[in-house]
Amino acid sequence: AQSVTQLDSQVPVFEEAPVELRCNYSSSVSVYLFWYVQYPNQGLQLLLKYLSGSTLVKGINGFEAEFNKSQTSFHLRKPSVHISDTAEYFCAVSASYIPTFGRGTSLIVHP
Amino acid sequence: DAGVIQSPRHEVTEMGQEVTLRCKPISGHDYLFWYRQTMMRGLELLIYFNNNVPIDDSGMPEDRFSAKMPNASFSTLKIQPSEPRDSAVYFCASSLKGFSTGELFFGEGSRLTVL
Repeated sequence: AQSVTQLDSQVPVFEEAPVELRCNYSSSVSVYLFWYVQYPNQGLQLLLKYLSGSTLVKGINGFEAEFNKSQTSFHLRKPSVHISDTAEYFCAVSASYIPTFGRGTSLIVHP
Repeated sequence: DAGVIQSPRHEVTEMGQEVTLRCKPISGHDYLFWYRQTMMRGLELLIYFNNNVPIDDSGMPEDRFSAKMPNASFSTLKIQPSEPRDSAVYFCASSLKGFSTGELFFGEGSRLTVL
């Protein structure tokens, strides 16, 4: 079985500040890791994914995430956020073709 | 290419009425998923299909919910009779096993309000 914990339900931040959204997972086997973003009134869309190789993964809109196997974490970061980054962010883990999603973190960017 | 298409985008109905939500997955995808999203429970997997066959429906809340996939390009989620607690956003997603490692492609969702 696999599980995902997103440690923060809400992260408020000012525009142009850096942000980190935390994600921890548990699994007895090797996994693939994903971050999805959901803008208001829209479906989820893939932000980035870790399959293998380099532990630092770059995604769309300037986001990146680092896979840390020893700490079973996959935290999402952006060095400077924009108002338009306000959205819900979901971490997901997959050991097969069926992903498990976290509860989501609401990123709120203030001007 | 067209993405996952869901209809209706919004549905308002009265308690006791039948609700049917529709989904057209991305052409060629062999997995189809139905999710429900609420503030209280977050994103819940209701059921998923592989090659039109239901594989796991353990997330379907109760017998009032049913899902079908008569062919590779169409699926329905039906609620009969509907109740106010069914109010939520229902998402359909699809993926391609040969390509995917768990990456899903989501539709824009169907927002259901049961009065």
